[in-house]
Amino acid sequence: QITLKESGPTLVKPTQTLTLTCTFSGFSLSTSGVGVGWIRQPPGKALEWLALIYWDDDKRYSPSLKSRLTITKDTSKNQVVLTMTNMDPVDTATYYCAHRWGPLVDYWGQGTLVTVSS
Amino acid sequence: QSALTQPASVSGSPGQSITISCTGTSSDVGGYNYVSWYQQHPGKAPKLMIYEVSNRPSGVSNRFSGSKSGNTASLTISGLQAEDEADYYCSSYTSSSTPGVFGTGTKVTVL
Repeated sequence: QITLKESGPTLVKPTQTLTLTCTFSGFSLSTSGVGVGWIRQPPGKALEWLALIYWDDDKRYSPSLKSRLTITKDTSKNQVVLTMTNMDPVDTATYYCAHRWGPLVDYWGQGTLVTVSS
Repeated sequence: QSALTQPASVSGSPGQSITISCTGTSSDVGGYNYVSWYQQHPGKAPKLMIYEVSNRPSGVSNRFSGSKSGNTASLTISGLQAEDEADYYCSSYTSSSTPGVFGTGTKVTVL
């Protein structure tokens, strides 16, 4: 059974760096074809891809946010970490991590709401 | 990478069928058979309903079906039920180096 869970701060101040951790079980990030991604959803708005890391350490980023994002993996701990620098109130959103098998996102974490406010 | 275009809202009466469109380009929807559809109830994570254009994961009702023509994919819900009221998002693999692309989302209302 595949499960994922996001953890991190619920409140960050403008200009701060956000660090989110995705802890997963039921699969290995060393298996060929497997990836873990981060997706966010501002309140009342659509889903938006942020970043994706594959089993072979191939990394993909949203072009509009690439300069602010870093995604890394720790295969031994079954964790993927996303950092986003220079947070702004417009970055207030629910952040999801998700399992990706090839081109398909099939399992999602429950999401974590991050509010950016001073 | 621009979001895929979906109608903002679609509504129907119980028992009716509705169709949600998802329009992209030849670099995403039109270029690959890797279109997925997700259902999202308020406060919940998205749930996979259709993958690879027309395949249903185990446990998803056969009232949900998917198709594609050119750069437009579609999700049809037949025999509409109250529990189908939710937001629906399409998603596609893309030829660019980005992780992928989602649709703008469609709110389905059961009248």
